[in-house]
Amino acid sequence: ETGVTQSPTHLIKTRGQQVTLRCSSQSGHNTVSWYQQALGQGPQFIFQYYREEENGRGNFPPRFSGLQFPNYSSELNVNALELDDSALYLCASRQGLSQETQYFGPGTRLLVL
Amino acid sequence: DQQVKQNSPSLSVQEGRISILNCDYTNSMFDYFLWYKKYPAEGPTFLISISSIKDKNEDGRFTVFLNKSAKHLSLHIVPSQPGDSAVYFCAAKSSGNTGKLIFGQGTTLQVKP
Repeated sequence: ETGVTQSPTHLIKTRGQQVTLRCSSQSGHNTVSWYQQALGQGPQFIFQYYREEENGRGNFPPRFSGLQFPNYSSELNVNALELDDSALYLCASRQGLSQETQYFGPGTRLLVL
Repeated sequence: DQQVKQNSPSLSVQEGRISILNCDYTNSMFDYFLWYKKYPAEGPTFLISISSIKDKNEDGRFTVFLNKSAKHLSLHIVPSQPGDSAVYFCAAKSSGNTGKLIFGQGTTLQVKP
């Protein structure tokens, strides 16, 4: 069974640029959530995708957007990057909306200069 | 507004002894709680969970206790091992299927040989 994978592992961008992060969910998992983890903090929920549609969102501005594909993989897009967007971005998957436990990938470390 | 709090940033215990990690929450709508362990440069790894209709769940060396009246949960690790040294996050989920987990700030556990 393949776990959740994310790419790239690290990324450096400059303020104002756009970034796309990618996630492949665990085998058989059709629900993907994205989290932002700032240094010294717990992860914060950005949004969730189920069957290629967003169906839950945290307190993040519209410049944070996502996609889910028919194979359940997902992308997180962030436009107009700000310095405060520097963080670890985590993707988590689960086997449907009724499953409570989410399984996390290793994350993408984003640094905005 | 911190709905999930881990008030101890760090904990140090001797190998073989019990580790007790604590977590407090404020939202009575939370219906499911989870503990995750995180090593540096890795994503959070699911450890154990508990539904709000239970007060205890045990899995090997790990036991989670839930006290709903006090809005408090704890994770007990017995016996502690050096490999348990990591950051531990508690997380809570509200009823519904949005997938939003709310995390505490984490507690760094060090188990000394």
